[in-house]
Amino acid sequence: IAGITQAPTSQILAAGRRMTLRCTQDMRHNAMYWYRQDLGLGLRLIHYSNTAGTTGKGEVPDGYSVSRANTDDFPLTLASAVPSQTSVYFCASRPGTSSQAFFGQGTRLTVV
Amino acid sequence: QKEVEQNSGPLSVPEGAIASLNCTYSDRGSQSFFWYRQYSGKSPELIMFIYSNGDKEDGRFTAQLNKASQYVSLLIRDSQPSDSATYLCAGYSGGGADGLTFGKGTHLIIQP
Repeated sequence: IAGITQAPTSQILAAGRRMTLRCTQDMRHNAMYWYRQDLGLGLRLIHYSNTAGTTGKGEVPDGYSVSRANTDDFPLTLASAVPSQTSVYFCASRPGTSSQAFFGQGTRLTVV
Repeated sequence: QKEVEQNSGPLSVPEGAIASLNCTYSDRGSQSFFWYRQYSGKSPELIMFIYSNGDKEDGRFTAQLNKASQYVSLLIRDSQPSDSATYLCAGYSGGGADGLTFGKGTHLIIQP
């Protein structure tokens, strides 16, 4: 089934640990995004990539890094997790010729 | 700073009535607008998009855009309990650099 797949679906992580959230899409979309969603704050953009080989910072990039080695994959890395990074993380993609975004199922991350 | 504002609700509507959800935006350069529905614990799913001033209808849903007033709305006719969800308004300014700017969402409750 075509779409966006995120892994893991949920994770409890000790503070200070490194963690990579995975995102893979098979729709050949050029643009990909990472959002975090927190109660009362809505969806906030962390990082984006307009095409393979390029990345950019969104609204809340601190503590996160991304890479885009190919069209399909857009991993998000937390170098040293902190409790404030407890959130639900959504990966999304967008075709180059259209501006609607498609979302993965989300990763619920708890940093303790 | 691009902003999309929504009343967080909850908005309570009797079954069978019309639910009216509203959204305002600050960026006059915004080209297109999207309404996403998000059930609790799930990812956002696109239900409507609109690019031009006026109304756009799709089944029980009507999106309305007034660029002069920087106002977007979503009407849901013949509301059903299954319409109970959080509705996210999002704006897109083009260029792809910033993805979509989301409002914080309106929680809609359809009362049987």
